[in-house]
Amino acid sequence: GAGVSQTPSNKVTEKGKYVELRCDPISGHTALYWYRQSLGQGPEFLIYFQGTGAADDSGLPNDRFFAVRPEGSVSTLKIQRTERGDSAVYLCASSLGQGYTEAFFGQGTRLTVV
Amino acid sequence: SQQGEEDPQALSIQEGENATMNCSYKTSINNLQWYRQNSGRGLVHLILIRSNEREKHSGRLRVTLDTSKKSSSLLITASRAADTASYFCATCRLSGSARQLTFGSGTQLTVLP
Repeated sequence: GAGVSQTPSNKVTEKGKYVELRCDPISGHTALYWYRQSLGQGPEFLIYFQGTGAADDSGLPNDRFFAVRPEGSVSTLKIQRTERGDSAVYLCASSLGQGYTEAFFGQGTRLTVV
Repeated sequence: SQQGEEDPQALSIQEGENATMNCSYKTSINNLQWYRQNSGRGLVHLILIRSNEREKHSGRLRVTLDTSKKSSSLLITASRAADTASYFCATCRLSGSARQLTFGSGTQLTVLP
């Protein structure tokens, strides 16, 4: 596709449920990033993939959060036992290669845990 | 944690005026980038300046970088109402496998028509 695509655009879930957020990066981009953004704050780094492997997952807040990118393209961010504090906009970005250049962001998934 | 900190947090100007936003950071960087965000959703890349550069221009944007002071500024000249948005600086360190792009908390710019 022309840009980074994230689905769903909005997700409302009950506390304690499991959710999956999907990211379709720009074709050919080997680097993929997940960020989380709360209202009035800047994006907070969660995890970085280079190809299929998670090269830097230091931003994942706890073991309820997990992300995969099995074929080096689409990525899924998985959140188990969701908590109200997980409510935020989850942003995905992709970029070319290993050296950091500009990142192209999707429109995000707004997750609301009720 | 957020490394970059923008200043001011909010800025309101009249159309046609220039807008200047500042960013300070704490650690050594490979490059610094500025992004724009409308309505709290996707971010759009504006400009990237590398650690060995001091100034860069792109259209109405001018970015400076002072690595000795660990600071950067973004100047938008001849502002337009359409420039109203949040602006974020983001620092990039290249350290081993780490490729974090660390964002600040942003400056909310309002351009009044």
